Amino acid sequence: DIVMTQSPDSLAVSLGERATINCKSSQNVFFQSNNKTYLSWYQQKPGQPPKLLIYWASTRDSGVPDRFSGSGSGTDFTLTISGLQPEDVAVYYCQQYYISPPTFGQGTKLEI
Amino acid sequence: QVHLVQSGAEVKKPGASVRISCKASGYTFSNYYMNWVRQAPGQGLEWVGLINPRDGRTLYAQKYEGRVTMTTDTSTTTVYMELGSLTSEDTGVFYCAKEGTRGFFYFDHWGQGTPVTVSS
Repeated sequence: DIVMTQSPDSLAVSLGERATINCKSSQNVFFQSNNKTYLSWYQQKPGQPPKLLIYWASTRDSGVPDRFSGSGSGTDFTLTISGLQPEDVAVYYCQQYYISPPTFGQGTKLEI
Repeated sequence: QVHLVQSGAEVKKPGASVRISCKASGYTFSNYYMNWVRQAPGQGLEWVGLINPRDGRTLYAQKYEGRVTMTTDTSTTTVYMELGSLTSEDTGVFYCAKEGTRGFFYFDHWGQGTPVTVSS
């Protein structure tokens, strides 16, 4: 199985500032044949199911604010939240879907 | 819009089985695989398996092979997950999750979750 490792496990960022969450996969999740990176990001607030933010490493899902952005390639990826808002307090997960089984990072808890 | 509505919380004894349902609406049910994801208390996310509503074919995580059965009822656009031989380690919240693009295992809509508690 591909192991996904996020860093840090938790971080505190001031309102209006930038938050950066890193994710590393144990193997490449880029598929050359279709030029796509099989990496997604989710946000989970307490008592709620996860919500898709980003797929194909950098494509925002419908309705996701543009302060959320995804980047990276190969095995190293970043979720950036610019201009942190109070509603962004949550746990964030990366996930690879390059190879079955799809696997998630351990999560990063973001606090204000 | 897409809705995935799951059945309610369950409390089971060790060794028992649990069956959870997930009713889908707002999209063409047979066109997208449905997945199940487990979250242990205070822990991360773990993929359990998926079912193709079109033909009922399944793919299960190795950890759950032999204990899990996923089925589908296209007449009611509902998928079911049954997990047997429960132990306390199975305690957690189970989510159904629709794939975002057919054949690719990222999940664009999730059910509200079904808490399962296994306790003697």
